[in-house]
Amino acid sequence: EVFLMQSGGGVVQPGGSLRLSCGASGFTFDDYAMHWVRQVPGKGLEWVSFVGGEGDRTYYADSVKGRFTISRDNGKNSLELQMNSLTTEDSALYFCARDGLRWGPHYFFDHWGQGSLVTVSS
Amino acid sequence: EIVLTQSPGTLSLSPGERATLSCRASQSVRSNYLAWYLQRPGQAPRLLIYGAASRAAGIPDRFSGSGSGTDFTLTISGLEPADFGVYYCQQYGISPGTFGQGTKLEIK
Repeated sequence: EVFLMQSGGGVVQPGGSLRLSCGASGFTFDDYAMHWVRQVPGKGLEWVSFVGGEGDRTYYADSVKGRFTISRDNGKNSLELQMNSLTTEDSALYFCARDGLRWGPHYFFDHWGQGSLVTVSS
Repeated sequence: EIVLTQSPGTLSLSPGERATLSCRASQSVRSNYLAWYLQRPGQAPRLLIYGAASRAAGIPDRFSGSGSGTDFTLTISGLEPADFGVYYCQQYGISPGTFGQGTKLEIK
């Protein structure tokens, strides 16, 4: 069974940093691109970033480019999102998500983590 | 950017009834790369349909997707209590993809 377990998140002041992690199990991790998607509570969904299966390709939403860094460790089946220079606009529930098909990215998501809440507030 | 508009905003139905949800795109969705998700309160979204009409693994055949170009529909026959929540469509024909604003399916 595919399982994505997230950790990290919390409350941080504007300008601060946070790191989110996502541990994967139940599938061949490096066969799949992985993504981060966020959701302001009660609002819609926004794709944030992806990393290719080998970790050599990354892509970011314009809203986070230059501030967020996605990475993966295939030896540990883990995914991370380093978030720097956070603003109140970044406050959201962040989900890690598996790409819907092997050898992506295809940009739809067939398994999701449970979510990590990030609150940016002074 | 492709804008997806979902309708209705809220749909009130009883268990056993049939639900029809609409997703309209501001421009044609390449290769009908359209997905549907259900998000129950306090949970992550769950993939239901991809490629406009292909059911994801483990999704019962009560769920069916249809449509092409700019107009897509999710139909749920014989609603069960677990089907109630917020449904999102997503286009991924133009990366990185965009989501609709959601349709809330509530128990009448």
